[in-house]
Amino acid sequence: GDSVTQMEGPVTLSEEAFLTINCTYTATGYPSLFWYVQYPGEGLQLLLKATKADDKGSNKGFEATYRKETTSFHLEKGSVQVSDSAVYFCALNGNKLVFGAGTILRVKS
Amino acid sequence: EAGVAQSPRYKIIEKRQSVAFWCNPISGHATLYWYQQILGQGPKLLIQFQNNGVVDDSQLPKDRFSAERLKGVDSTLKIQPAKLEDSAVYLCASSLVLVEGYTFGSGTRLTVV
Repeated sequence: GDSVTQMEGPVTLSEEAFLTINCTYTATGYPSLFWYVQYPGEGLQLLLKATKADDKGSNKGFEATYRKETTSFHLEKGSVQVSDSAVYFCALNGNKLVFGAGTILRVKS
Repeated sequence: EAGVAQSPRYKIIEKRQSVAFWCNPISGHATLYWYQQILGQGPKLLIQFQNNGVVDDSQLPKDRFSAERLKGVDSTLKIQPAKLEDSAVYLCASSLVLVEGYTFGSGTRLTVV
């Protein structure tokens, strides 16, 4: 079945550091890919998405590119802030939304 | 637009008791989902409705969990009897288009003691 693998956390960075959270997937067909974010005490929020190969999703300074050849959708941000501290989930949607285990990001001031 | 509404926000029950969660999706969203998120894990799909019909309930523990979506709008998820391992956040989500991202509610945090 479809599955998503994310890098294990927690990832701890200093403010203004560069962020990469790796995500790879296994799926039949051509799923849509997503990053969701869960801030402490809050629900899941859609951060960005890409619906086909080579698409780049972007939002709030975060970016991810749908790489069909490497079945990857890595999340990047050039300069993180303390307010970015949260849990980040990579997900795919073939015919249902399947999540990775999540990666905790901690940003220190 | 109003978001996905869930209640209650928190619930603590003893094992073997029963509990029910309620969800009201975004108006016009035909597809509704219930997910279980155990601490430290990603959300896992329990059941998917299209209008008031079940599309996928392959991961729903049917001996103790049940769900219904009357009139294709609100939905209720029930656990009876609860076990300690049911402690989790239960998330409801809805979507307009199947392959797009879903909108999630804030969830119900269930603690079984």
